[in-house]
Amino acid sequence: EIVLTQSPGTLSLSPGERATLSCRASQSVSSSYLAWYQQKPGQAPRLLIYGASSRATGIPDRFSGSGSGTDFTLTISRLEPEDFAVYYCQQYGSSPGFTFGPGTKVDIK
Amino acid sequence: QVQLQESGPGLVKPSETLSLTCTVSGVSIRSYYWSWIRQPPGKGLEWIGYVYYIGSADYNPSLKSRVTMSVDTSKSHFSLKLTSVTAADTAVYYCARLYDYGDYSNAFDIWGQGTMVTVSS
Repeated sequence: EIVLTQSPGTLSLSPGERATLSCRASQSVSSSYLAWYQQKPGQAPRLLIYGASSRATGIPDRFSGSGSGTDFTLTISRLEPEDFAVYYCQQYGSSPGFTFGPGTKVDIK
Repeated sequence: QVQLQESGPGLVKPSETLSLTCTVSGVSIRSYYWSWIRQPPGKGLEWIGYVYYIGSADYNPSLKSRVTMSVDTSKSHFSLKLTSVTAADTAVYYCARLYDYGDYSNAFDIWGQGTMVTVSS
């Protein structure tokens, strides 16, 4: 089973700052099957990035994804007030199919 | 636009069966794979499984013995049944579309709003 670890657990930043979120896999993951989601309190997750680096429809270009193998990164170039949320990485591979990381909370400093 | 809406009981007794339905609008239910994902209060996301309209499905091995998913094309909805529930199954249950981006790439691109299910006597 592939386990995803996200760091840091919480990231405290100010609007306008750059956010760098890490997702590390316990074994190599196909970049095609690495995605990132944003979740705000009381809402369903929203797809941000698929295929490790492709932005989903309607996602602003301040969000970018990169990485390969076991190390992946989500970068928010300049934080807007609406970007403070929890971010999850997710992979698809061998059993158990789809797994999510534990999440990184980006909160206001 | 594509919309998903979960429905079902908000309270289920221990040892009973949790049954939820997700109604799909704005797109043919035959065109995609459909998933259920859950989130216990204050915790992360857990994939439960996915189903295709012809009946093919794949489930999380940790839940496989208790899960059944199906699609009703006439009603444009798909369903989740989880048997022998315990308090550990208390969660917000989301339905989601699994979109195939090609080049062996996929992701959950459309989600329902979620429905809270509590397991308690």
